[in-house]
Amino acid sequence: QQPVQSPQAVILREGEDAVINCSSSKALYSVHWYRQKHGEAPVFLMILLKGGEQKGHEKISASFNEKKQQSSLYLTASQLSYSGTYFCGTESLLTSGTYKYIFGTGTRLKVLA
Amino acid sequence: ETGVTQSPTHLIKTRGQQVTLRCSSQSGHNTVSWYQQALGQGPQFIFQYYREEENGRGNFPPRFSGLQFPNYSSELNVNALELDDSALYLCASSLVGGADTQYFGPGTRLTVL
Repeated sequence: QQPVQSPQAVILREGEDAVINCSSSKALYSVHWYRQKHGEAPVFLMILLKGGEQKGHEKISASFNEKKQQSSLYLTASQLSYSGTYFCGTESLLTSGTYKYIFGTGTRLKVLA
Repeated sequence: ETGVTQSPTHLIKTRGQQVTLRCSSQSGHNTVSWYQQALGQGPQFIFQYYREEENGRGNFPPRFSGLQFPNYSSELNVNALELDDSALYLCASSLVGGADTQYFGPGTRLTVL
């Protein structure tokens, strides 16, 4: 049930690009992306609500393919501050009409000078 | 800074004890979610409260319980602590129920000896 992210870890040089993928075995209604630095709380990056939607701010963007049940996060011209663990997150609707929220497996990203 | 605060920052308990963790939501937010994050893992959804009612629950036993107060602050109570309960506990507030953008507090580090 937990969305699977790939790669598990990636090391970049400053200025390089990276793509982080999030794949779910269940239908995705929305996808959130978060970045968590060591010892800190997750920080919201963006939310994607519709299939095929692409969003972004500054040099971080994301796409969401509802049919493929996948989302990808694109980091361009990476900076040292991009280092951290990236999580996708989505909700899973329960039969009770409520839901539970599920984070992906995480991708550790390190940017070197 | 997200405006979400948690207390205490750190806590040490022994097996079998009970613990109460507290969260103060961002102003205007009526929804709070609680997560458990073990070392090296992603956050695991415990439950969500929307306008003082439980609105969703993850795969946690009943000894994990919560409350949300009229001012939308919240408590997480854990009874009969086990060693595996050692983790970072995060609360996140959002504007509406469901899978809206979540803003995380700094977390409470619980150690069970």
